[in-house]
Amino acid sequence: NAGVTQTPKFQVLKTGQSMTLQCAQDMNHNSMYWYRQDPGMGLRLIYYSASEGTTDKGEVPDGYNVSRLKKQNFLLGLESAAPSQTSVYFCASSQQGRNTEAFFGQGTRLTVV
Amino acid sequence: AQSVTQLGSHVSVSEGALVLLRCNYSSSVPPYLFWYVQYPNQGLQLLLKYTSAATLVKGINGFEAEFKKSETSFHLTKPSAHMSDAAEYFCAVIRSGGSYIPTFGRGTSLIVHP
Repeated sequence: NAGVTQTPKFQVLKTGQSMTLQCAQDMNHNSMYWYRQDPGMGLRLIYYSASEGTTDKGEVPDGYNVSRLKKQNFLLGLESAAPSQTSVYFCASSQQGRNTEAFFGQGTRLTVV
Repeated sequence: AQSVTQLGSHVSVSEGALVLLRCNYSSSVPPYLFWYVQYPNQGLQLLLKYTSAATLVKGINGFEAEFKKSETSFHLTKPSAHMSDAAEYFCAVIRSGGSYIPTFGRGTSLIVHP
């Protein structure tokens, strides 16, 4: 079972470049999330989507954009990369509900130089 | 807003020793609580979850957690640590308000010494 698939796994960008991180899930989940993981900070929510076509900001949305055109895909864009966006990015999905767990991708390790 | 606090960014134990990872929650309503594990260079995976059916919850790999309302705690334990338990552990709660967003603690790195 594929679950949640993220591409790419690794990426190096120069300051000012743009890119899109891709996330696909095959579990028919309504909700999808993008988090970033930094040492000592845990996982911080960037954006989330409760259903196809809807997105909302999380704790740290500045410098990012997202799109959810299809239920199975959730894309995270970096408009103009900055060194502060060097991080590990995780996509996750879940069914809606308070007792449902999230399923995570393997992560994308992004370095901005 | 509901949140969780993990006490201790690093916990070091010897192989065979008791593992205790601490998590406290802040909630005005009964929370739904989770523990996740992250092995090096991997995503998070569910260890166990509390859904009010029982206060002692058993998870994978011999881990368990006890929900204590009086202490607002959901600590993770394992009687005997294995080298393979070395990983990052996250406590999480589902945010209230209808959006059901998982909110994570800062994580505790478990180090297991031979």
